[in-house]
Amino acid sequence: NAGVMQNPRHLVRRRGQEARLRCSPMKGHSHVYWYRQLPEEGLKFMVYLQKENIIDESGMPKERFSAEFPKEGPSILRIQQVVRGDSAAYFCASSPDSGNTEAFFGQGTRLTVV
Amino acid sequence: AQTVTQSQPEMSVQEAETVTLSCTYDTSESDYYLFWYKQPPSRQMILVIRQEAYKQQNATENRFSVNFQKAAKSFSLKISDSQLGDAAMYFCAYRRPGGSYIPTFGRGTSLIVHP
Repeated sequence: NAGVMQNPRHLVRRRGQEARLRCSPMKGHSHVYWYRQLPEEGLKFMVYLQKENIIDESGMPKERFSAEFPKEGPSILRIQQVVRGDSAAYFCASSPDSGNTEAFFGQGTRLTVV
Repeated sequence: AQTVTQSQPEMSVQEAETVTLSCTYDTSESDYYLFWYKQPPSRQMILVIRQEAYKQQNATENRFSVNFQKAAKSFSLKISDSQLGDAAMYFCAYRRPGGSYIPTFGRGTSLIVHP
């Protein structure tokens, strides 16, 4: 059973471009969580999705950021018109249910905006 | 809202010695879960240990153990016989019970292990 797969591992974008970060949860996991980690900081929750539904997006910036988890395929975190302040590590985690288990993390995508 | 506080940005320990990382949290819930994650330079988040709030017994995983003080809302991690491979960022996390599973993380403690 492969772990949570995130790609790309590293992504460089110029200001104003779009960034698309992908996350394939562990097999059998239907719950996906995205976190952002700024330098010298912990993980900040962004969005929680189940298949085809956004459950909680209270941590998402109101503009330029969006997320989806389609019926088929990986979850996508999309950042439009990136700015330097978007540079961070973005982590995806998945869970088999919303019960009594921990979240399993991917290795993250390091986004650098130049 | 729940908060998790790690008051030690950095800790150092000599190889083979014991170190304790502190974590406090704030919640109005009576049932919840607490976790310690390790993040080595590879950035992979690795679960170290988990504690269910309804269990009075402190969790233990080999050289890692916790001191869970529910009334004080404290959840410290003790690493015994420290090894060079233990050097990493350590994050304390809290998870609400019920259908909404969104762990809340502290800012992390950087552990340095000296040979």
